[in-house]
Amino acid sequence: GAVVSQHPSRVICKSGTSVKIECRSLDFQATTMFWYRQFPKQSLMLMATSNEGSKATYEQGVEKDKFLINHASLTLSTLTVTSAHPEDSSFYICSASGGGDSNQPQHFGDGTRLSIL
Amino acid sequence: SQQGEEDPQALSIQEGENATMNCSYKTSINNLQWYRQNSGRGLVHLILIRSNEREKHSGRLRVTLDTSKKSSSLLITASRAADTASYFCATGGGGKLIFGQGTELSVKP
Repeated sequence: GAVVSQHPSRVICKSGTSVKIECRSLDFQATTMFWYRQFPKQSLMLMATSNEGSKATYEQGVEKDKFLINHASLTLSTLTVTSAHPEDSSFYICSASGGGDSNQPQHFGDGTRLSIL
Repeated sequence: SQQGEEDPQALSIQEGENATMNCSYKTSINNLQWYRQNSGRGLVHLILIRSNEREKHSGRLRVTLDTSKKSSSLLITASRAADTASYFCATGGGGKLIFGQGTELSVKP
């Protein structure tokens, strides 16, 4: 089945640091990938849609200058949390599907736990 | 914003028992999906039911969909300790999923 790899799995860093998270589709091409955020004991919230070769589409309330998304190839999207602060600490998860059909399931990475000290 | 509610929020059962989780949603849908999340991990797709389907089975999983009530249920039969996880329903198209609040299932051996 389709595999999405996310790296790193865990990041602990100081306040003010910028952190880059990678999301790769290993055995399929993904023109679109999605980034979610999840707080402890809560559900996933869609942050943005990453579009290959064009600008990402951000959900309402998500700061695009804070969460930079780059989707330079059909198999890689990156999320950079710029100048991270403790309130940015969260679990970030990406997803992709192998086709554009809305009836295709999403394949998720294993997530990145970001802890800002 | 969240699509709707899931209940119960938490469910604790003994191995071998059945577990039923319910999900409600607010808007019209093309399909509804159920995902499982082990602690600290990503989500795994379990089953997708289309809006013109009423029931679907996959192994020990049974999903129902009632579009008139905008609700769905996930039944796990003969539960195992390995089924311990959080379960989420999700709606949406083109990959932009809106998740329910989730049910945290604990299956005790």
